[in-house]
Amino acid sequence: DAGITQSPRHKVTETGTPVTLRCHQTENHRYMYWYRQDPGHGLRLIHYSYGVKDTDKGEVSDGYSVSRSKTEDFLLTLESATSSQTSVYFCAISAPINSGNTIYFGEGSWLTVV
Amino acid sequence: RKEVEQDPGPFNVPEGATVAFNCTYSNSASQSFFWYRQDCRKEPKLLMSVYSSGNEDGRFTAQLNRASQYISLLIRDSKLSDSATYLCVVKLGNTGNQFYFGTGTSLTVIP
Repeated sequence: DAGITQSPRHKVTETGTPVTLRCHQTENHRYMYWYRQDPGHGLRLIHYSYGVKDTDKGEVSDGYSVSRSKTEDFLLTLESATSSQTSVYFCAISAPINSGNTIYFGEGSWLTVV
Repeated sequence: RKEVEQDPGPFNVPEGATVAFNCTYSNSASQSFFWYRQDCRKEPKLLMSVYSSGNEDGRFTAQLNRASQYISLLIRDSKLSDSATYLCVVKLGNTGNQFYFGTGTSLTVIP
């Protein structure tokens, strides 16, 4: 258990509305990530954070923003949801394993934009 | 060119069979390698790390070939419970953000 909690786990929203997904971790890991996973594309990085108020874009960041005001919380906001943002969203943290780091995922947030 | 490529399958094998997955990576600077398992509608979970010397965990064996830039996963004596999607994951260097994922290989073990 990597101590990652995502909320909400499931959400249906209307096109054009803002949506915020929350990721909470309990172990003070520095790096946190938001990915989306879609058939045929695998996991794609949206944004990541390397510390409080330190964030950067991933490969599919358009239409998304993030904030990290506390070590334990990483928020993903869809400014104006579109149907193409219907997906499953995974939060993740980077944590030590053996002599390096690997990545651990939260349980996912299923978002449907109608 | 994708950083990590996997054969998506699907692989449909009978119980007790041996099955192998391969994954290739494009960046020779890649330093860490992993196999993850993902069940339907669940998050990916770490299955095992992959080392140049190879490593084994029960029925699972992982190998890394740096010269040819591929990693492999061998599952012996397949069980119904092995049915899942297997993702290879590659990490560049020691910076925290650079993880690259294959799209996954689907395995179904048939009774």
